[in-house]
Amino acid sequence: GQQVMQIPQYQHVQEGEDFTTYCNSSTTLSNIQWYKQRPGGHPVFLIQLVKSGEVKKQKRLTFQFGEAKKNSSLHITATQTTDVGTYFCAGFSGNTPLVFGKGTRLSVIA
Amino acid sequence: DGGITQSPKYLFRKEGQNVTLSCEQNLNHDAMYWYRQDPGQGLRLIYYSQIVNDFQKGDIAEGYSVSREKKESFPLTVTSAQKNPTAFYLCASSIVLWGTEAFFGQGTRLTVV
Repeated sequence: GQQVMQIPQYQHVQEGEDFTTYCNSSTTLSNIQWYKQRPGGHPVFLIQLVKSGEVKKQKRLTFQFGEAKKNSSLHITATQTTDVGTYFCAGFSGNTPLVFGKGTRLSVIA
Repeated sequence: DGGITQSPKYLFRKEGQNVTLSCEQNLNHDAMYWYRQDPGQGLRLIYYSQIVNDFQKGDIAEGYSVSREKKESFPLTVTSAQKNPTAFYLCASSIVLWGTEAFFGQGTRLTVV
């Protein structure tokens, strides 16, 4: 079945450093979604990417969808302590349920 | 305020007992989902429902059951057949199945002793 691999599993950064998490699917995706889960909280939707090669920005966050629609990335510029949490990607291939990656847990050291 | 509500937040049960987790939404969403979250495992799909009176098994449905008698409600029963029920359970909803933003409830942390 469809698999979504996400790396790295953990990332520790100094405040102000950049951070990137990568998501790779075993199949071509119709769209990909990104969620953030704060410690002790629930996942909150960040964005959905649909088009091949799409790039979207939300303040310090940049989301990319690969040309082949099989990979995606989330890049955070100049991390802040408020960025702490686990970031999940979730891929939809059109004929199977949404599949979540295992997430990347980000720690930010002040 | 519109949203999705799970109750209770924490739940303790003795081994061998069935337990039902509540999930209610007032977002008028057709689709609802149940996920299980274990440390380092991400979100795994238990059951999903596209519309009232219809639901489908997800990847880890064994030992669980659901009902969807009302659009607003999608309760999950963790039965005694579930071998390792201690986990964090998340309910979610979306306007339509899969292709749109999912809204998650606060979650229920179930501990079976």
